[in-house]
Amino acid sequence: EPEVTQTPSHQVTQMGQEVILRCVPISNHLYFYWYRQILGQKVEFLVSFYNNEISEKSEIFDDQFSVERPDGSNFTLKIRSTKLEDSAMYFCASSERGGGADTQYFGPGTRLTVL
Amino acid sequence: LAKTTQPISMDSYEGQEVNITCSHNNIATNDYITWYQQFPSQGPRFIIQGYKTKVTNEVASLFIPADRKSSTLSLPRVSLSDTAVYYCLVGRAYSGGGADGLTFGKGTHLIIQP
Repeated sequence: EPEVTQTPSHQVTQMGQEVILRCVPISNHLYFYWYRQILGQKVEFLVSFYNNEISEKSEIFDDQFSVERPDGSNFTLKIRSTKLEDSAMYFCASSERGGGADTQYFGPGTRLTVL
Repeated sequence: LAKTTQPISMDSYEGQEVNITCSHNNIATNDYITWYQQFPSQGPRFIIQGYKTKVTNEVASLFIPADRKSSTLSLPRVSLSDTAVYYCLVGRAYSGGGADGLTFGKGTHLIIQP
């Protein structure tokens, strides 16, 4: 069964450093998403991406964040200058269609630790 | 966006049937009800979706009354491995345009004991 993959599984960085989290969505999916989950808290939507542009973003997704689909397979989330409060699990997801009722397939996540 | 309310936690035992109810009083006509499951340190995983009445798959059943203001996820004969957080989400059918982010609540933490 096709699945979403994410690398790295765990990233440790110093405050102020830039990090890039990578995702390979399911190959025939056209809609891509990033979510985060701070330890012990709920899953929070960050951004959605379709047709090579951001479709929707939450208040969390400020100027420190950016997303890119650099080629036909990867989807990346960049945090320009990490803060302590960026420590969380980051999940990438993809879907065939973009409605809220359409199944999103989540990757295993990247655990980001900012020191 | 319809708000959902579900119990924070539930306990049950192996072999029992577990029912988790979610209320969504403001559900819109073109909204569907979807349940996801999340194990610790993993991404959420789709379990089941429905619009009205009853839906059953190999994992669960979903019961939706006629007014659609609530739904009940039913897990038959649970095992220890069903211990997870279960999320009830309400979202619109796709009608073109961009991609909708999902709004997760706190979910129901289901603990299955031997």
